[in-house]
Amino acid sequence: EDKVVQSPLSLVVHEGDTVTLNCSYEVTNFRSLLWYKQEKKAPTFLFMLTSSGIEKKSGRLSSILDKKELFSILNITATQTGDSAIYLCVGNTGNQFYFGTGTSLTVIP
Amino acid sequence: DGGITQSPKYLFRKEGQNVTLSCEQNLNHDAMYWYRQDPGQGLRLIYYSQIVNDFQKGDIAEGYSVSREKKESFPLTVTSAQKNPTAFYLCASRGRGPGEKLFFGSGTQLSVL
Repeated sequence: EDKVVQSPLSLVVHEGDTVTLNCSYEVTNFRSLLWYKQEKKAPTFLFMLTSSGIEKKSGRLSSILDKKELFSILNITATQTGDSAIYLCVGNTGNQFYFGTGTSLTVIP
Repeated sequence: DGGITQSPKYLFRKEGQNVTLSCEQNLNHDAMYWYRQDPGQGLRLIYYSQIVNDFQKGDIAEGYSVSREKKESFPLTVTSAQKNPTAFYLCASRGRGPGEKLFFGSGTQLSVL
């Protein structure tokens, strides 16, 4: 059965902290792994990872994929209150998308 | 601006009633998806459509129906057979090619009166 597992389920940090969100996957015919941020309601795209070991960065956010260990992490440095959201990890086979339960991040001022 | 529009934002259903959630996209995407989101759970696939006039059941299709008469539109009907319809419903679309990411609408919160 295809599945994506995220950890931790929730996290509370103080502004300025660095956080690491984890995602493991077992997806048949895997093509890519995606990260989304869900604030109000609509998830917004962060990263798509297809190759092992190549870090993708966008400002204070970065992510990397390990296709041997079937694992990805999302790092957020110098967290801000605006980073408070649910972060979704998604395994993609091309036509199908498998979602983890999400990690709820709360950043306290 | 291109995007996906879901309506209404909030919807209330009476027992025994069918309700329809609208999803329209102007991204010229072929594939469209409906997901259900419950607190503490990941998004679960209800139905998806790769092309006009064709759609497939997802993992939790019972109690739901869809149509895809136009490329831009993929409405979801929550029928009276769906006994626990209270949830947040997200519509998404994907561009041509299997490597494309999902684009999401802003969602509809459905509650039962």
